[in-house]
Amino acid sequence: DQQVKQNSPSLSVQEGRISILNCDYTNSMFDYFLWYKKYPAEGPTFLISISSIKDKNEDGRFTVFLNKSAKHLSLHIVPSQPGDSAVYFCAASAQGGSEKLVFGKGTKLTVNP
Amino acid sequence: DSGVTQTPKHLITATGQRVTLRCSPRSGDLSVYWYQQSLDQGLQFLIQYYNGEERAKGNILERFSAQQFPDLHSELNLSSLELGDSALYFCASSVGDGLGPQHFGDGTRLSIL
Repeated sequence: DQQVKQNSPSLSVQEGRISILNCDYTNSMFDYFLWYKKYPAEGPTFLISISSIKDKNEDGRFTVFLNKSAKHLSLHIVPSQPGDSAVYFCAASAQGGSEKLVFGKGTKLTVNP
Repeated sequence: DSGVTQTPKHLITATGQRVTLRCSPRSGDLSVYWYQQSLDQGLQFLIQYYNGEERAKGNILERFSAQQFPDLHSELNLSSLELGDSALYFCASSVGDGLGPQHFGDGTRLSIL
């Protein structure tokens, strides 16, 4: 029973263009969402988060959008850079983030020069 | 560098054996979390400790146990190892009791022969 789903295992984009990574969730109790980036042989690195009281959060080139009615969130990276090539994990939690994190299986992003 | 230190980086052992994985959290973080990542799987939450006390349990097998010591470092003990226990084991830490983003170590790769 996957509560957090990343339906695209991989995504390839050109340098300078926008990367859009998607994530769907099924548990309506989730109210805190995070994106992590993972390079090979390293642990996941926290990128950006969003609380359910917001529908958008921006940090530099990274923007996360939350659509609560659709139980969908997305991460936009603009402009994409080759160094952004990594696996991106979406994670969700209930009770404002105090419950355990539930992770998706990840999307491998490749940014081509 | 996330500030979370995991040792060893790699561990190779045989079925039936017992191993101990160690984690030192970021300075000032009171919570430690353990995750398992098997092939093609997302990160599966195992267990959380906060300031020495167990706070939350995920899908942790009875053969696995963990503890957090007074200096806040944590150990994950895996016993009666089976082939299916081969995985990456990540430790993460956060400041509060489940609040705020978790910061991950680089993991311990466990291989069971």
